[in-house]
Amino acid sequence: DADVTQTPRNRITKTGKRIMLECSQTKGHDRMYWYRQDPGLGLRLIYYSFDVKDINKGEISDGYSVSRQAQAKFSLSLESAIPNQTALYFCATSASGLYTEAFFGQGTRLTVV
Amino acid sequence: QKEVEQNSGPLSVPEGAIASLNCTYSDRGSQSFFWYRQYSGKSPELIMSIYSNGDKEDGRFTAQLNKASQYVSLLIRDSQPSDSATYLCAVNPGGYNKLIFGAGTRLAVHP
Repeated sequence: DADVTQTPRNRITKTGKRIMLECSQTKGHDRMYWYRQDPGLGLRLIYYSFDVKDINKGEISDGYSVSRQAQAKFSLSLESAIPNQTALYFCATSASGLYTEAFFGQGTRLTVV
Repeated sequence: QKEVEQNSGPLSVPEGAIASLNCTYSDRGSQSFFWYRQYSGKSPELIMSIYSNGDKEDGRFTAQLNKASQYVSLLIRDSQPSDSATYLCAVNPGGYNKLIFGAGTRLAVHP
């Protein structure tokens, strides 16, 4: 089983719908992140969390919200989906410290029609 | 200016050659640097990390860091077609403890 699991893997939704992407991890890491990836733009940070009570906005948080339900769970919500939120979304985790790498989930391909 | 910049490529090299990938970053206080490889439609996977000036070698991969010039590079020796992927440079800006990624460089190794 993957250490960082995202659900669903693929989702098609309609404009204006609320959708939640979920992420769970078994690595025991404190830090969790949500990124989105668009062709030619790399990975852009949406939100990140250092523990259950510490949630921070990233570069592109508008239109998104998050919830850290437990150390192992971090969900991303699109309150009212719009077509330009069509992208590949990745959850990632890392241990505490300056010199720690991020480990990624398998990704969720979201299409908003 | 973007925080982390990479040439988008594609960088095309023949099999067996050395591929050289470059990355520059804007935050002079950055402490840690990573190279990830990403195959199309897959998640990024870490291939190298580097924290101090100089070279770090791991098999066919060498990461180079120059903090004074604010660049980090990745050399892939004896390139193989299986190395064809997008290579993402990631930087941990000083004091923020989060990873900022460049847009990635697409590498194509042709037989």
